[in-house]
Amino acid sequence: AQRVTQPEKLLSVFKGAPVELKCNYSYSGSPELFWYVQYSRQRLQLLLRHISRESIKGFTADLNKGETSFHLKKPFAQEEDSAMYYCALTGANSKLTFGKGITLSVRP
Amino acid sequence: NAGVTQTPKFRILKIGQSMTLQCAQDMNHNYMYWYRQDPGMGLKLIYYSVGAGITDKGEVPNGYNVSRSTTEDFPLRLELAAPSQTSVYFCASSYPPGEGYEQYFGPGTRLTVT
Repeated sequence: AQRVTQPEKLLSVFKGAPVELKCNYSYSGSPELFWYVQYSRQRLQLLLRHISRESIKGFTADLNKGETSFHLKKPFAQEEDSAMYYCALTGANSKLTFGKGITLSVRP
Repeated sequence: NAGVTQTPKFRILKIGQSMTLQCAQDMNHNYMYWYRQDPGMGLKLIYYSVGAGITDKGEVPNGYNVSRSTTEDFPLRLELAAPSQTSVYFCASSYPPGEGYEQYFGPGTRLTVT
């Protein structure tokens, strides 16, 4: 079975502070991993995917197969980063499994 | 290009009533999904479809039904509404998973059953 664990429900930081949103997964094969974001009153949307190795809005995430992790990082948080973040995994069954999500609050 | 659309945006149901949540996409995606989002629980997959005429259960299908008569539409039916079905429902669509394709989400339907 595939599983995604986001161990924290809430992270509150000051503007300019570094951010790390943790994500661990359980999957026996080669997963595809994603971070989705939901800003207030907006629909869920893709932030980034590991296969692209891209940086979006200053966020990066590296797939660590040894630690089965896909943590989301940003060196300097901005107020507009405040949102709900979901880590998600697609395995061989083609279903997207979501973690429980974490609320990021960036204070001025 | 409207993407994924859902109606209604809000609905209040009494216990035992039925309703259909509508979902449509104009991106010619074969794959479509229904999720429910409960506070602190993330998104749970209710049903999904890999193409017109093909549907399958997700993680939490009990109390729901779906149909997929066209590529564009994927309605979700609640037959006997229960308070446990109070949630926010999201529809999504995508190209076939497994190639890094993202899912596109609708704006959600907030349902309250009292």
